[in-house]
Amino acid sequence: KQEVTQIPAALSVPEGENLVLNCSFTDSAIYNLQWFRQDPGKGLTSLLLIQSSQREQTSGRLNASLDKSSGRSTLYIAASQPGDSATYLCALSGYSTLTFGKGTMLLVSP
Amino acid sequence: DAGITQSPRHKVTETGTPVTLRCHQTENHRYMYWYRQDPGHGLRLIHYSYGVKDTDKGEVSDGYSVSRSKTEDFLLTLESATSSQTSVYFCAISEYLADSNQPQHFGDGTRLSIL
Repeated sequence: KQEVTQIPAALSVPEGENLVLNCSFTDSAIYNLQWFRQDPGKGLTSLLLIQSSQREQTSGRLNASLDKSSGRSTLYIAASQPGDSATYLCALSGYSTLTFGKGTMLLVSP
Repeated sequence: DAGITQSPRHKVTETGTPVTLRCHQTENHRYMYWYRQDPGHGLRLIHYSYGVKDTDKGEVSDGYSVSRSKTEDFLLTLESATSSQTSVYFCAISEYLADSNQPQHFGDGTRLSIL
């Protein structure tokens, strides 16, 4: 059974700092890895999707990497802003379903 | 934003009563999913559908049933609600299965409290 771990569980940084969120998984037989953002009281918004054959994806200030051999993914956020405050979740896909980590709660203070 | 509407958004009910949650989509996506989100557990899949009248169980399907009579609607039913089913329920849709390069899109959730 796939297990997904996200470290740290919570992170507080000052505005402007670059930061890295970590996601580790136990089964490397995945189809893709996705990073989501969740704001309080809201659903999940897809940020980046990395297919299993890829090593990284970039969107604006966000960069996600995937290393299947070590069972790790990172989400890099450059020049963090207060609007980046949210919970970030990674999810690994099997054939038909996603397995989620418990998330990292990020607070960016002005 | 993907056109996903969950109803109701909030519900409080008593143990033993039946509860039905509705997910409505306007994207004509083939796949629809029901998840629950609980502190300490993250999101877990309850059931999913791969077409009209085609459904399958997820990780935590006990105590839940689903139905999909139309492409746009996916219903989640708790036949006899229990306090352990107090949770936030999310519906998601996707055009392709999870193994594709297309992400799932999520609704805003239904907060269900069972007293």
